[in-house]
Amino acid sequence: GQNIDQPTEMTATEGAIVQINCTYQTSGFNGLFWYQQHAGEAPTFLSYNVLDGLEEKGRFSSFLSRSKGYSYLLLKELQMKDSASYLCARAGNNRKLIWGLGTSLAVNP
Amino acid sequence: GAVVSQHPSWVICKSGTSVKIECRSLDFQATTMFWYRQFPKQSLMLMATSNEGSKATYEQGVEKDKFLINHASLTLSTLTVTSAHPEDSSFYICSARDRDSTNEQFFGPGTRLTVL
Repeated sequence: GQNIDQPTEMTATEGAIVQINCTYQTSGFNGLFWYQQHAGEAPTFLSYNVLDGLEEKGRFSSFLSRSKGYSYLLLKELQMKDSASYLCARAGNNRKLIWGLGTSLAVNP
Repeated sequence: GAVVSQHPSWVICKSGTSVKIECRSLDFQATTMFWYRQFPKQSLMLMATSNEGSKATYEQGVEKDKFLINHASLTLSTLTVTSAHPEDSSFYICSARDRDSTNEQFFGPGTRLTVL
């Protein structure tokens, strides 16, 4: 992706907590999205952060620091069905989304 | 709310034929729709931005004469892959933005195109 960095792969254990980090270019920033994508399916919306801080939504939370150009997605109480690719995307001035390459998360029993 | 549909879900066609993919916003009006292509194990690649009533804006490297986009109404955009070749085989996904929303894009389920 264009100046969006996130780890390529992560592995975690069922029931554990995992944090997926994303760093991005701060110029022209209009919000940070996290999407989940299962193989062969379209992405589904998880979260949107435009202000600094932590947004909690059930087992998933997302954090943003605009000054640092940094966000993370926190997944708690991992379940096998959470095995998927997690995409970080930044909204720019032209309202298009700039996508990271995604983090493939494997949850093992 | 905010449901986007795509049709067909999958299509297999012969090389040289054209394929049309429809993207519809079912319960909201979308002034802007986006067309993406995704190859296996790769991220989404934006092909073009489709604005209702005007010409689409194509990303660098995307041939506008090969990938025809029409956004004739606030709820429908179509992508036509003309003279398809095997290398056009991919997962095509559309998304739509509610004209009253912020930047969130609502995704269709995708269309799997296989060109033989």
